[in-house]
Amino acid sequence: QVTLRESGPALVKPTQTLTLTCTFSGFSLSTSGMCVSWIRQPPGKALEWLARIDWDDDKYYSTSLKTRLTISKDTSKNQVVLTMTNMDPVDTATYYCARIHLNIGIDYWGQGTLVTVSS
Amino acid sequence: SSELTQDPAVSVALGQTVRITCQGDSLRSYYASWYQQKPGQAPVLVIYGKNNRPSGIPDRFSGSSSGNTASLTITGAQAEDEADYYCNSRDSSGNPLVFGGGTKLTVL
Repeated sequence: QVTLRESGPALVKPTQTLTLTCTFSGFSLSTSGMCVSWIRQPPGKALEWLARIDWDDDKYYSTSLKTRLTISKDTSKNQVVLTMTNMDPVDTATYYCARIHLNIGIDYWGQGTLVTVSS
Repeated sequence: SSELTQDPAVSVALGQTVRITCQGDSLRSYYASWYQQKPGQAPVLVIYGKNNRPSGIPDRFSGSSSGNTASLTITGAQAEDEADYYCNSRDSSGNPLVFGGGTKLTVL
C-alpha cells in the first residue's frame, strides 16, 4: 500500500525559508521509473506543480519558481524534502507531495499540509 | 497562467453524459492525465495515458484526445461525481508537468 505524508510548519513569516518533508511508504525511490513531486494549491485556486525528483536523482523545477526551490531525497529514510526560500503571503497554500510512476503519471497523493505565510 | 486551458465550470443532469476538455499545444505530443478533487480532499487519479483507469475508478469515466484537446467523459454522471477536475501533462516551455486551471462539475 502506497502512502505519502507531508510534514512541516503550518505558519511561516514572510522572507523565511519553508522546509517540507514528504515521508512515504509502499515503494522505493531507488526503483527505476519512480519519482516524487511537490504540488501546491492556494485556497480556492488551481493546482500548481512545483518540483520533481527522480529515482536517479535527476531534479526538475517549475520555471517560474526554480530560483527559490530545492528538492532532495534520502532514500534510506524514504523521505523527500522541499525547501522554498523567501516566502511571501502569496505562497499560502496546501502543499502536496505525490508519487509519479513514469509510465502512469501522478498516481498517489499525500493528504496535503496547509502552510500560511503571515507576519 | 497555465498552458493547459479548461472551462471553469460545467454542469450535467443526473444520469446524463458530460465531457470536460483540456486544451494545450503539448497535448499534440503527450497524453493528459485527469484528477478528481472533492472539497477538502487530495486529488485522485481517474484517467491516465490513452484511456486507462486506475483500479477502483468506475468505467463511466473515459478519456480521449484529438489534436491539441484532451477530453474526460463521464457517461451517466452520478451525484458523487460532483467535484473539481484537473488535467495535467507536460508543457512546451520546459516544465515536465503542468496542470490545467480546473473545471468545477455540478451534477444537477
